[in-house]
Amino acid sequence: AQSVSQHNHHVILSEAASLELGCNYSYGGTVNLFWYVQYPGQHLQLLLKYFSGDPLVKGIKGFEAEFIKSKFSFNLRKPSVQWSDTAEYFCAVNAGAGRRALTFGSGTRLQVQP
Amino acid sequence: DSGVTQTPKHLITATGQRVTLRCSPRSGDLSVYWYQQSLDQGLQFLIQYYNGEERAKGNILERFSAQQFPDLHSELNLSSLELGDSALYFCASSGQRESGDEQFFGPGTRLTVL
Repeated sequence: AQSVSQHNHHVILSEAASLELGCNYSYGGTVNLFWYVQYPGQHLQLLLKYFSGDPLVKGIKGFEAEFIKSKFSFNLRKPSVQWSDTAEYFCAVNAGAGRRALTFGSGTRLQVQP
Repeated sequence: DSGVTQTPKHLITATGQRVTLRCSPRSGDLSVYWYQQSLDQGLQFLIQYYNGEERAKGNILERFSAQQFPDLHSELNLSSLELGDSALYFCASSGQRESGDEQFFGPGTRLTVL
């Protein structure tokens, strides 16, 4: 079974700082990778996804992520965070034939201070 | 708005009771997924239905069951409720394509068991 690790549980940044959230997964086969964001009191929204092709994917709100197959990683980045980016971020993977259910990491709570 | 609707938004009930959570997928989506989000377990996949049939099972308790109806809406039934079942229950839906589909999440039902 696949698993997802997010090593940063709580990150505090000032506005305009750069962001990188780590995500590692364990699965030997082909994977689809996702980053979701959950703003306070809201549902999960997709930030970006990687299925195949260019390993550097761009998502909404200026976020991007890089898939590094050799490192089993899919880190999320943003060059300059805003107060409105305060939220919880989840990395997720689905993998294997017929396995479309998502396995989520434990989440990273990002707090951006004005 | 993801197009996925869930009712009710909040549910407060007592231990030992039974509740039904309802989900309507996005128009045209055949797959429905149920996830549980709790403080101690994080986001966990419970069960998936595709076009009325159970497709995959995750960490779903025997006290829980689900079904998908001909109009594609789905219901999650939770019985003999325990305090530990208090959580946010999300429904997600995805399209007709095979593996790797993006999942769209509903706003969730917050269940409180007293």
